[in-house]
Amino acid sequence: DTAVSQTPKYLVTQMGNDKSIKCEQNLGHDTMYWYKQDSKKFLKIMFSYNNKELIINETVPNRFSPKSPDKAHLNLHINSLELGDSAVYFCASSQNAGPNEKLFFGSGTQLSVL
Amino acid sequence: DQQVKQNSPSLSVQEGRISILNCDYTNSMFDYFLWYKKYPAEGPTFLISISSIKDKNEDGRFTVFLNKSAKHLSLHIVPSQPGDSAVYFCAASKGNQFYFGTGTSLTVIP
Repeated sequence: DTAVSQTPKYLVTQMGNDKSIKCEQNLGHDTMYWYKQDSKKFLKIMFSYNNKELIINETVPNRFSPKSPDKAHLNLHINSLELGDSAVYFCASSQNAGPNEKLFFGSGTQLSVL
Repeated sequence: DQQVKQNSPSLSVQEGRISILNCDYTNSMFDYFLWYKKYPAEGPTFLISISSIKDKNEDGRFTVFLNKSAKHLSLHIVPSQPGDSAVYFCAASKGNQFYFGTGTSLTVIP
């Protein structure tokens, strides 16, 4: 039973395409996140939702749109993909939103834009 | 702006010896500091944390030390085991925001 599962694991696509990454957690957590790990290995927050409400929206191009249909799911849709979007995208969840919360991560989605 | 830095990208240690992973930060307002461990093709997993009001927290073989005046923290693993070979990420939090370092790849040599 994977606690935080994201699909697909690998995504190879052409520039200009639109793609989605799905994330689901079965931990009963209230808060979910999307992180991006770039080629320099920086792990940066993109978005965070608490009980389906957006609470963190970092400076991310508006081609990236998160959607949380319920608190167990946080999907990431990316329009008009660019070469610079190539990275590993991690979904994570935590019980609540707070500074001492443990984050539970999915195994990542390796996105390659050609 | 990189608020959390791990300046050593890699570290090799003999099995049974101590591993010391270092982390520096710039924001004195961070509330908590956390360490995560990551194996290849997996997401990071939580290892240990420390509140900004403490200077040490221990959990089995893992101890985190915090030096607020130097804005520095370190993770000590003793004794190191081959299964500890992984990438270790330092993170700092303020409110509901977490800031991660770029990781240190630890190799424990049998």
